[in-house]
Amino acid sequence: SAVISQKPSRDICQRGTSLTIQCQVDSQVTMMFWYRQQPGQSLTLIATANQGSEATYESGFVIDKFPISRPNLTFSTLTVSNMSPEDSSIYLCSVSTSGAQETQYFGPGTRLLVL
Amino acid sequence: SQKIEQNSEALNIQEGKTATLTCNYTNYSPAYLQWYRQDPGRGPVFLLLIRENEKEKRKERLKVTFDTTLKQSLFHITASQPADSATYLCALSQTGANNLFFGTGTRLTVIP
Repeated sequence: SAVISQKPSRDICQRGTSLTIQCQVDSQVTMMFWYRQQPGQSLTLIATANQGSEATYESGFVIDKFPISRPNLTFSTLTVSNMSPEDSSIYLCSVSTSGAQETQYFGPGTRLLVL
Repeated sequence: SQKIEQNSEALNIQEGKTATLTCNYTNYSPAYLQWYRQDPGRGPVFLLLIRENEKEKRKERLKVTFDTTLKQSLFHITASQPADSATYLCALSQTGANNLFFGTGTRLTVIP
């Protein structure tokens, strides 16, 4: 298993600003993922954070809006850029120790409200 | 289009009874199907994984079935307790794919 922490746990931001969310894992993991969970909806994968290379984005998500860093095997950041109220959501980091199709362990999430 | 539907947004049952949650999918060929529990304000927690060639998997009071012909998974909690109250999510992954696709979840309330 893996223990994951995220910072900040919540934030209220103004339209047009950017927020960087940090994800820290207590052990080295191969795969890290970023999800969005909009109010009343399920989780949608934003991107897979790749160590040492650019993130792999899912359809509908672009690097300019959600730049991701992964400098090592235990840490990643997701930035939500030029925010609008539609970006209000919970952002979750997850990791897999054995492969994307296998069990994923989730962080507690970052609750973002954009005014 | 691809869909993962969890029947019943909300399910209320009496303590001690068996809760049965349903996950149906269309236009997927899942290699794995997983169930997660999510409590308010927290991230999902993994419960069980079942592979496409498995019919049933059990863990303590939990049981999952997987019918690839019906394109359905059933999740059972026997002898349910108020502490089982949470939202339960099914998720599936396809061979060669690099991500999990999640259903919208069923909010279970176990009434004492």
